[in-house]
Amino acid sequence: DIQMTQSPYSLSASVGDRVTITCRASQSISGHLNWYQQKSGKAPKLLIYAASSLQSGVPSRFSGSGSGTDFTLTISSLQPEDFATYYCQQSSSTPRTFGQGTKVEIK
Amino acid sequence: QVQLLQSGPGLVKPSQTLSLTCAISGDSVSSNYATWNWIRQSPSRGLEWLGRTYSRSKWFNDYSVSVKSRVTINPDTSKNQFSLQLNSVTPEDTAVYYCARDRADCNSTTCYTYYFDYWGQGILVTVSS
Repeated sequence: DIQMTQSPYSLSASVGDRVTITCRASQSISGHLNWYQQKSGKAPKLLIYAASSLQSGVPSRFSGSGSGTDFTLTISSLQPEDFATYYCQQSSSTPRTFGQGTKVEIK
Repeated sequence: QVQLLQSGPGLVKPSQTLSLTCAISGDSVSSNYATWNWIRQSPSRGLEWLGRTYSRSKWFNDYSVSVKSRVTINPDTSKNQFSLQLNSVTPEDTAVYYCARDRADCNSTTCYTYYFDYWGQGILVTVSS
């Protein structure tokens, strides 16, 4: 199975901050990497697919980059509604696997 | 607009069978451009993919090794839904269970990327006597 490792586990940031979350795959997954946002009590919501494609309806302050084993999710200017947990997920092979999550909290 | 509506009991006794259903609207369980998945989430395991069913001229299933001996995912084309059965449950199977569509972006010859774009609302299933 492909292991997905996110860093950091959590971070504290202020509204307006630029936030970066990283995800590393245990082997190359090319660009088959997706990012999700999850708020308490809700299902995950797709933000970015294929490493850098913005899902329809997702604000442009979210962006993704990377290929191979190293990927990044960036929030250019953190908004109050962005405080949540973020997950990466590989779609290169089955089983589909997720990172452990990064919780973004208010500073 | 695709919607996935989950149903099933929230409490299951140890050693019994967990059964959930995911009803699809706005797409077809027989679609050639999607697979239909079950994923669970718990504090100890995080987000864990359990398996999927999909049609590509015939039906296929894939299951996680961690539950393969206990799990069955079946499509129901007459009701446009799919189901999860997990046998011999223990308290470690307590989790929020989600169904999700893994959409495929394809060209004329191959599907080149997949992503979970629609999810059910989630059901907390507790395994307890």
